[in-house]
Amino acid sequence: GDSVTQMEGPVTLSEEAFLTINCTYTATGYPSLFWYVQYPGEGLQLLLKATKADDKGSNKGFEATYRKETTSFHLEKGSVQVSDSAVYFCAPLSDYKLSFGAGTTVTVRA
Amino acid sequence: DVKVTQSSRYLVKRTGEKVFLECVQDMDHENMFWYRQDPGLGLRLIYFSYDVKMKEKGDIPEGYSVSREKKERFSLILESASTNQTSMYLCASSFVGNSPLHFGNGTRLTVT
Repeated sequence: GDSVTQMEGPVTLSEEAFLTINCTYTATGYPSLFWYVQYPGEGLQLLLKATKADDKGSNKGFEATYRKETTSFHLEKGSVQVSDSAVYFCAPLSDYKLSFGAGTTVTVRA
Repeated sequence: DVKVTQSSRYLVKRTGEKVFLECVQDMDHENMFWYRQDPGLGLRLIYFSYDVKMKEKGDIPEGYSVSREKKERFSLILESASTNQTSMYLCASSFVGNSPLHFGNGTRLTVT
């Protein structure tokens, strides 16, 4: 099956700092790629997605570009807020199923 | 908005008990999934179903079974709960094929 390697956390940042979370994957074929976010005490929410090479997904100031040549889908945000504190998961989707990495815990301090 | 509802937020069960975790989705989705989430391991797929009465094993099916008698409902069953099944369980659904998954808020199960 597919596998995901995510940047290890936890990551602690100050407000307005730049955030990057690295993600690389192995998959057979060409999966769709997703970032999910989990806020404290909640389930996972879809943050953004990209379905083919060079697509850029974006939402809430976050962006990620599907890089087929490097099998990567790094998440970036230019200026984080305290409300961005959460666990972030990179996940390729193939054969109907998502595969998850361990997740990256991000804490943003005021 | 899609709503995926898990019947319990917290459950405490004893070793050896039979445990049912229930999940209902309200958007006529074909696919439904059960994952467990453990610190440092992310989410791991237990079982999934792409149609009523159909089920497929995921990556860690041992000790679990599932039931899907109606399209909107997907149940996870622990036949004889053990302490190593203490975890957060997340249900998800998706429309068809490789559509995004929508998750419920999870059930935190403790087996003592």
